[in-house]
Amino acid sequence: AQSVTQPDIHITVSEGASLELRCNYSYGATPYLFWYVQSPGQGLQLLLKYFSGDTLVQGIKGFEAEFKRSQSSFNLRKPSVHWSDAAEYFCAVGASGGSYIPTFGRGTSLIVHP
Amino acid sequence: DTEVTQTPKHLVMGMTNKKSLKCEQHMGHRAMYWYKQKAKKPPELMFVYSYEKLSINESVPSRFSPECPNSSLLNLHLHALQPEDSALYLCASSPLGRGATTGELFFGEGSRLTVL
Repeated sequence: AQSVTQPDIHITVSEGASLELRCNYSYGATPYLFWYVQSPGQGLQLLLKYFSGDTLVQGIKGFEAEFKRSQSSFNLRKPSVHWSDAAEYFCAVGASGGSYIPTFGRGTSLIVHP
Repeated sequence: DTEVTQTPKHLVMGMTNKKSLKCEQHMGHRAMYWYKQKAKKPPELMFVYSYEKLSINESVPSRFSPECPNSSLLNLHLHALQPEDSALYLCASSPLGRGATTGELFFGEGSRLTVL
């Protein structure tokens, strides 16, 4: 079974600073990896996804993530954070064969200071 | 159309009431999901419908009753709920079948349920 670890419950950054949110996964084969964002009181929105190919994936809102198989990681990055990026971020792993249900990490809450 | 629409956005009900949450999508997705989400927690899977048939029930109490009338609609019928059932209920959909991407979910904005 797959699992996801997001080690940071909260991350605080200043507006304009760079951001990296950590995600580690456990899965025996090549996983499908996702980052979702949830603004307060809203549903989840897909930021980006990795299935295969180039390990650096670009997403919406200026986010990118890099798949590192050797480290079982899929960290999310943004070079310059905007106040509107304050939200809850969920990393998720989906099985590349069999179950199509993604497993979510516990989430990381991003706080942006002006 | 890439939206999943949920109604109502907010619902307050007593423990003896019967109400329903509704979800609709027109993306041709053949998998639809109900999730429950408590504050500051990840979504918890409740039910999955694939090709309009219930494929997964994550041991959800019978006071929650899902229904999938057709490939675009998903309902969640609520009866005799408890205050601890208060949460954000999220509907999601995803494609299925050959060539479909697994695990990529499209979420609605949710229905905020308060049980008094």
